[in-house]
Amino acid sequence: DAKTTQPTSMDCAEGRAANLPCNHSTISGNEYVYWYRQIHSQGPQYIIHGLKNNETNEMASLIITEDRKSSTLILPHATLRDTAVYYCIVRHRMKTGANNLFFGTGTRLTVIP
Amino acid sequence: DSGVTQTPKHLITATGQRVTLRCSPRSGDLSVYWYQQSLDQGLQFLIQYYNGEERAKGNILERFSAQQFPDLHSELNLSSLELGDSALYFCASSGVGVDTIYFGEGSWLTVV
Repeated sequence: DAKTTQPTSMDCAEGRAANLPCNHSTISGNEYVYWYRQIHSQGPQYIIHGLKNNETNEMASLIITEDRKSSTLILPHATLRDTAVYYCIVRHRMKTGANNLFFGTGTRLTVIP
Repeated sequence: DSGVTQTPKHLITATGQRVTLRCSPRSGDLSVYWYQQSLDQGLQFLIQYYNGEERAKGNILERFSAQQFPDLHSELNLSSLELGDSALYFCASSGVGVDTIYFGEGSWLTVV
């Protein structure tokens, strides 16, 4: 899987948009960008994923650059409950059919009251 | 609620012992994944099964083994336990292809 680079930590004021960047300069054409978050020691929670186009769901928006070498996860109105570690993962389906996720160290987002 | 169920939620056992962690995937999901997260460590991929067959293997120790049964539930067996095996063990599941992977809430294992 392509490597990703994320800032170690970020702060965001409650109610403001949280923009979490991710670099994946070695991404291949068939690799998806996935975002998960882990709140304390709970199970990782799926947020959103995309291939080329920008995506939006009820939780967040994902902006992927045209060259696909970087992306930004946007939480439009951060709340205290969004404090978590956010993981950006590049995922593809291998020849064996395996398609597991490889987690990096992620970005620790702290939402400040 | 992701739909992935793991039991037990917490487990305390002594060194040298053997434990079994159980996972029920989301309804209809054929793939099951196991991950380990030690204290202050990242999530480490252990192994993946697809419809009963091993599909991928990660950093899984020889003392650990897993299987997926015909009803698609999976078990992770940890033997000759050491203090360093204390960790959160997550199970996840997904459907076919590059389908989204959903995680359970984990099983806390403490080896004393």
